[in-house]
Amino acid sequence: GAVVSQHPSRVICKSGTSVKIECRSLDFQATTMFWYRQFPKQSLMLMATSNEGSKATYEQGVEKDKFLINHASLTLSTLTVTSAHPEDSSFYICSARATGGNTGGLYNEQFFGPGTRLTVL
Amino acid sequence: AQSVTQPDIHITVSEGASLELRCNYSYGATPYLFWYVQSPGQGLQLLLKYFSGDTLVQGIKGFEAEFKRSQSSFNLRKPSVHWSDAAEYFCAVANTDKLIFGTGTRLQVFP
Repeated sequence: GAVVSQHPSRVICKSGTSVKIECRSLDFQATTMFWYRQFPKQSLMLMATSNEGSKATYEQGVEKDKFLINHASLTLSTLTVTSAHPEDSSFYICSARATGGNTGGLYNEQFFGPGTRLTVL
Repeated sequence: AQSVTQPDIHITVSEGASLELRCNYSYGATPYLFWYVQSPGQGLQLLLKYFSGDTLVQGIKGFEAEFKRSQSSFNLRKPSVHWSDAAEYFCAVANTDKLIFGTGTRLQVFP
């Protein structure tokens, strides 16, 4: 099956520093990757859609200068939280959508990574 | 606007009992619907999905869901719950290439 990995699984950093989170599709190529944020005991909120070779599309209310997304290859997208502050502490989850899809319809299934727990002190 | 509602925030059942988790959606066209499970500190695992065809969908781990267009519902069921089913369950609807998630239902299983 399609496997998506994230690295690191946990990270603790000091306020003001930047943190990079990697999302990799291990056994398939992903033209599109998605980044979600999940607060404790809450649902997943889409932050941005990342397309290989182009700029990410951010959801309303998400600061693109704060959350830098790079999708340089068909198997790797990175999320960099710049000048992190305690309020950025959260669980960040990525997903990847296979190139070409598998339904033939409007929607192509997303495969989720295991998530990254970010704690900013 | 598209939305997903999971009316039950927290459900507790005894091991071996049956389970039904509710999901209602709001979507103008034919929806693509999903149920995901999330164990603590983990990512999401797809349980099942509905795109078209038979309205009763079978998934992994013994779960099934029924799509009822007249009720705008996609409820998840399992005839006999196991302790390992304790987790957070999310219903989602696809809006073109984006997933819209419900707020989740936390399932607790007592022995």
